[in-house]
Amino acid sequence: VVLTQTPLSLSVTPGQPASMSCKSDQSLLQTNGKTYLSWYLQKPGQSPQLLIFEVSSRFSGVPQRFSGSGSETDFTLEISRVEAEDVGVYYCLQGVLPFTFGPGTKVDIK
Amino acid sequence: QLQLQESGPGLVKASETLSVTCSVSGGSVNSISYYWGWIRQPPGKGLEWIGSIYQGGNTYYSPSLKSRVSISVDTAKNQFSLRLNSVTAADTAVYYCARHGTPISISGVIIIDWPFDSWGQGALVSVSS
Repeated sequence: VVLTQTPLSLSVTPGQPASMSCKSDQSLLQTNGKTYLSWYLQKPGQSPQLLIFEVSSRFSGVPQRFSGSGSETDFTLEISRVEAEDVGVYYCLQGVLPFTFGPGTKVDIK
Repeated sequence: QLQLQESGPGLVKASETLSVTCSVSGGSVNSISYYWGWIRQPPGKGLEWIGSIYQGGNTYYSPSLKSRVSISVDTAKNQFSLRLNSVTAADTAVYYCARHGTPISISGVIIIDWPFDSWGQGALVSVSS
């Protein structure tokens, strides 16, 4: 499975929304009705941290300003009001073996 | 709280074998609920899954690296390790260890229903010519 992310980079004013896309070259919808697409944020100099799993479920401790949506091949991560601590690279990951990550979307602050 | 810590040589010569170990604390590699995986990130580039292992020794490997990779687990030391042989400069990367859910089969498709939720800080391994 090949994942494509757009845009490659995003510059956002604090307090403004941000949105990024992850597209798969094949449907990630499984026969159990679930879709195993997750999102990660890698802050500068840190390891990736899990934000969203199964398309739209927030991981423990993740702020409500982060939300995921989408289905089958098209997925979106939205940040309702960007904060300075949200800078970094956002990756999507699909959970079908062999696991693959998207190339990432870099977010910085204007 | 689960913590993972990678340790490695820092520098490996081309054509030799890279070896990195992940020490787990605050949890057990013997857990029946999780697999333990390796992911790498070349400098300035994206993430690549290398492979994963279960406490019983069952492994899954990336097809692109399968011929050169071996992952093992030492339940007594609560560690798991990565070996990558015949390395080249292209293997220079930060190597991360991480935990994920046990793979399940859905209509013949192997998936993980719980993604990588805890990561180590990473170990940079450079390959010299």
